[in-house]
Amino acid sequence: GAGVSQSPSNKVTEKGKDVELRCDPISGHTALYWYRQSLGQGLEFLIYFQGNSAPDKSGLPSDRFSAERTGGSVSTLTIQRTQQEDSAVYLCASSPRGPSGANVLTFGAGSRLTVL
Amino acid sequence: GQQVMQIPQYQHVQEGEDFTTYCNSSTTLSNIQWYKQRPGGHPVFLIQLVKSGEVKKQKRLTFQFGEAKKNSSLHITATQTTDVGTYFCAGPGGSGTYKYIFGTGTRLKVLA
Repeated sequence: GAGVSQSPSNKVTEKGKDVELRCDPISGHTALYWYRQSLGQGLEFLIYFQGNSAPDKSGLPSDRFSAERTGGSVSTLTIQRTQQEDSAVYLCASSPRGPSGANVLTFGAGSRLTVL
Repeated sequence: GQQVMQIPQYQHVQEGEDFTTYCNSSTTLSNIQWYKQRPGGHPVFLIQLVKSGEVKKQKRLTFQFGEAKKNSSLHITATQTTDVGTYFCAGPGGSGTYKYIFGTGTRLKVLA
């Protein structure tokens, strides 16, 4: 597609439920990132996928969070047993991952998660 | 782990005044990027700096990468209301990785 697509754009769930957030990166982009942004705050790194390499999961805040990327394209971020502190905007970005001058991150519009 | 701090956290300026935000990394960076996030929007890439001491200009915006490649600045001359938003710097979170760690951001408000 022309840009990074995320769904759903808004998700309201009850505490304890599981949620899945989807990211469809720009075609041909080999790198995919997930960030979390709480209201009025900065971007917290969660996970980074690069091609077929093992993902860098160093930013996942707990074992309730997991992510996968199928076929080197679409990614799903799963949050199990959601807590109120998980409420935030989850941003996905992709980049072409070329030489050092080409790693521009293009962000999607985000998925706003509200846990009641 | 690596930390990227920005100051100030907030800045309110009168339209026409200049604005500067500073970015400081706890580690040396191979490159640094700047992004702008408008209120209610998502971050949008502005520029990337790679060389020590590099200075790049985009119209009223001037970006600088420090000699030690651990700090950077963004200066806006004669701010306009369209400059409103949060400015983030971002750098690779370690050598040989393209995991980008974002700075804490500076929120700019321009008063007409």
